[in-house]
Amino acid sequence: VQLVESGGGLVQPGKSLKLSCSASGFTFSSYGMHWIRQAPGKGLDWVAYISSSSGTVYADAVKGRFTISRDNAKNTLYLQLNSLKSEDTAIYYCARVGASFDYWGQGVMVTVSS
Amino acid sequence: QITLTQQAESLWVSPGEKVSITCRASQSLLYTDGKHYLSWYQQRPGQTTKALIYHASIRTDGVPTRFIGSGSGTEFTLSIEDVQPEDIALYYCLQTLKKPLTFGSGTKLEIK
Repeated sequence: VQLVESGGGLVQPGKSLKLSCSASGFTFSSYGMHWIRQAPGKGLDWVAYISSSSGTVYADAVKGRFTISRDNAKNTLYLQLNSLKSEDTAIYYCARVGASFDYWGQGVMVTVSS
Repeated sequence: QITLTQQAESLWVSPGEKVSITCRASQSLLYTDGKHYLSWYQQRPGQTTKALIYHASIRTDGVPTRFIGSGSGTEFTLSIEDVQPEDIALYYCLQTLKKPLTFGSGTKLEIK
């Protein structure tokens, strides 16, 4: 199992960014997936979840601004980040849902700053 | 939302000793299926976050037997017996009973 995030970078407040998580080594379409983030020097925060049937749930802090989606044909999970704020600055991880969050990616950094 | 409290920010331990990390939930994590929806994770620099324990006490495949999860209701413990240098890491608990999913604040394990 391998999860590889990409798409991070430096972005101005109010702008948008789209993160990707490329999955391999398992049947991607059969698993729910999460995005989790970690602000610099802080703990882990759950961001969003998408089920294998594409049902979604969001943390209140990102609801209405972030959109989680998946493309099973491309074995890829996405997170669209809109109306970014400085407090969204963090490392963003994707994780597979097994009995727990059983596999994680290495993370991608998003910095929101003018 | 369910709050998870990891009281200890840091714990110091000598190699070979046993250490316990506690996680307290603001409400019971026991579901009607009889399982507790509490899991533990290890974060080491330069490595991907690793799942250690799920349903409070079940070890994830490949996790050394020195990692032991215990507890019920609202009180949970991750114990590490015979601590090894590679166990130096941040440890987080996570509840998946109710959304929003929430993590504890983390406990850093350090070597004396």
